[in-house]
Amino acid sequence: DIQMTQSPSTLSASVGDRVTITCRASQSISSWLAWYQQKPGKAPKLLIYKASSLESGVPSRFSGSGSGTEFTLTISSLQPDDFATYYCQQYNSYLWTFGQGTKVEIK
Amino acid sequence: EVQLVESGGGLVQPGGSLRLSCAASGFTFSSYEMNWVRQAPGKGLEWVSYISSSGSTIYYADSVKGRFTISRDNAKNSLYLQMNSLRAEDTAVYYCARVSVSAGGGDYWGQGTLVTVSS
Repeated sequence: DIQMTQSPSTLSASVGDRVTITCRASQSISSWLAWYQQKPGKAPKLLIYKASSLESGVPSRFSGSGSGTEFTLTISSLQPDDFATYYCQQYNSYLWTFGQGTKVEIK
Repeated sequence: EVQLVESGGGLVQPGGSLRLSCAASGFTFSSYEMNWVRQAPGKGLEWVSYISSSGSTIYYADSVKGRFTISRDNAKNSLYLQMNSLRAEDTAVYYCARVSVSAGGGDYWGQGTLVTVSS
């Protein structure tokens, strides 16, 4: 099975900060990677698919990059609504696997 | 509007069974692959099972293989998860998620249904 490793696990940042989250796959997944945002008590929300494509309706301050085994999610200017937990997910195979999550907290 | 609504969760004793349902609306259900994903309290997301649009291809996570059965009824626009031999570690919120045709990830998710396995 493909393992996904996210870092950091927790990130403290201020409104307006540039934030970067990293996700590493245990083997190449080409660009079959998605990023989700999840708030407490809510379902995950798709932000980025195919590593760098922005889902419709998602603000442009979110961006994704990478291919193969190394990927990043960047929030260019953190907004109050962005404090949440973020997950990467590979779908190179039908057996999805998720990173362990990165909680973005208010500094 | 695309909607996925899970139901069937609740409290069950270890070794018991439960059947979850996911009612789909606002899209052509029979054209989409579907997944079940769960989240234990305070933990991350764990993929549980996949079913193709026709129901002919099915996959399970090792943690539930042999105990859980995914199925769908395209005539009723519904997805199911039959859970048998439940264990305490199956306690989680269970989400159904639609697989995006263009994106490949889960583009729509239900609100989740809580399953608690406890004596």
